[in-house]
Amino acid sequence: GAGVSQSPRYKVAKRGQDVALRCDPISGHVSLFWYQQALGQGPEFLTYFQNEAQLDKSGLPSDRFFAERPEGSVSTLKIQRTQQEDSAVYLCASSRESEAFFGQGTRLTVV
Amino acid sequence: GQQLNQSPQSMFIQEGEDVSMNCTSSSIFNTWLWYKQEPGEGPVLLIALYKAGELTSNGRLTAQFGITRKDSFLNISASIPSDVGIYFCAGLNSNTGNQFYFGTGTSLTVIP
Repeated sequence: GAGVSQSPRYKVAKRGQDVALRCDPISGHVSLFWYQQALGQGPEFLTYFQNEAQLDKSGLPSDRFFAERPEGSVSTLKIQRTQQEDSAVYLCASSRESEAFFGQGTRLTVV
Repeated sequence: GQQLNQSPQSMFIQEGEDVSMNCTSSSIFNTWLWYKQEPGEGPVLLIALYKAGELTSNGRLTAQFGITRKDSFLNISASIPSDVGIYFCAGLNSNTGNQFYFGTGTSLTVIP
């Protein structure tokens, strides 16, 4: 596609629910990143894929967070047993060489 | 995670004025990127820099890759109301990893 597409744009979850956030990267982009952005802050790294391989997941805040990219294209970020502190905007970016292009993000609100 | 120090945190300026902001890091980067983010949207890439000392322009925007490789600067000339938004710097050292580290953002308000 023309740009990085994320869905849903907004998600409200009850505390304890599981959520799945989807990212469609730019076609042909090998690298894919997930970031978490709290209100008034810059994006913070969560995890990185090169094709289907998850090469870095050092930013995932707990074992409730899980990301996958099984065919090296679409990626899903799953959060299990959501907590209030998980409320944030989750941004996906795909990269060509050294430039990262972002989607519009998914705003997750845990109530 | 690591975040870069970006200043100023916020700016309120008159339309037509020039704007300067900067970003510093304790680590060396081999790529610096500048993004603009508007409410409810993802960051949009403005300028990419790949070499120490490099000066690159994109319309009224000019960015520089600092000589020490630990800082970068963004200037906006003759600001207009649509420049309003939050500007983020991001650094990458591809020799030590693949994650982009982001600054804390500079919020720009342009008063018509």
